[in-house]
Amino acid sequence: GAVVSQHPSWVICKSGTSVKIECRSLDFQATTMFWYRQFPKQSLMLMATSNEGSKATYEQGVEKDKFLINHASLTLSTLTVTSAHPEDSSFYICSATGTSSTYEQYFGPGTRLTVT
Amino acid sequence: QQPVQSPQAVILREGEDAVINCSSSKALYSVHWYRQKHGEAPVFLMILLKGGEQKGHDKISASFNEKKQQSSLYLTASQLSYSGTYFCGIFNNAGNMLTFGGGTRLMVKP
Repeated sequence: GAVVSQHPSWVICKSGTSVKIECRSLDFQATTMFWYRQFPKQSLMLMATSNEGSKATYEQGVEKDKFLINHASLTLSTLTVTSAHPEDSSFYICSATGTSSTYEQYFGPGTRLTVT
Repeated sequence: QQPVQSPQAVILREGEDAVINCSSSKALYSVHWYRQKHGEAPVFLMILLKGGEQKGHDKISASFNEKKQQSSLYLTASQLSYSGTYFCGIFNNAGNMLTFGGGTRLMVKP
């Protein structure tokens, strides 16, 4: 149980275009979803935290107008990278927590974004 | 604040042991350990919730020293499949945000 999926697995887009990444909890209701970004050989850096039906909370230095997060339901959160640039190329990973008291986060498989 | 992991990288021969440390400058409420293979998402290994707690699965175990604000991950009789980057993660006071350490790259050679 506790499976999180992401779509797409990888995407290549041209500079200036927007890209949407979906994160779904397949067999549980995700009260909170997290979006991370990971550059090569670096750690995961939290970008934002989202709760269903409310605005996302962004970490310092993350542009909320550039990285639009929507958590429309308890099983779906989307991250839209608007006007993408080559420096946005990265590995984007979502995770979700359910109602378990162990605070375990379930990670999606990640989305590799390459902006040309 | 990001926890500090040490060492940054380690190379082992199959069958050797390794210890990875995770330290925080702030009080720890729980410590999570993950392993990430190249190009894949992190995979949950274990969580420690109480000071003094020790856990293990197969030949990977971890301890949590609340007073010292640190946790250690022990890999014994390492296998080739143990290769990857290990991250510790700590939760904030509210228990709703996980901050990862810088990672420890582990390579196990035959």
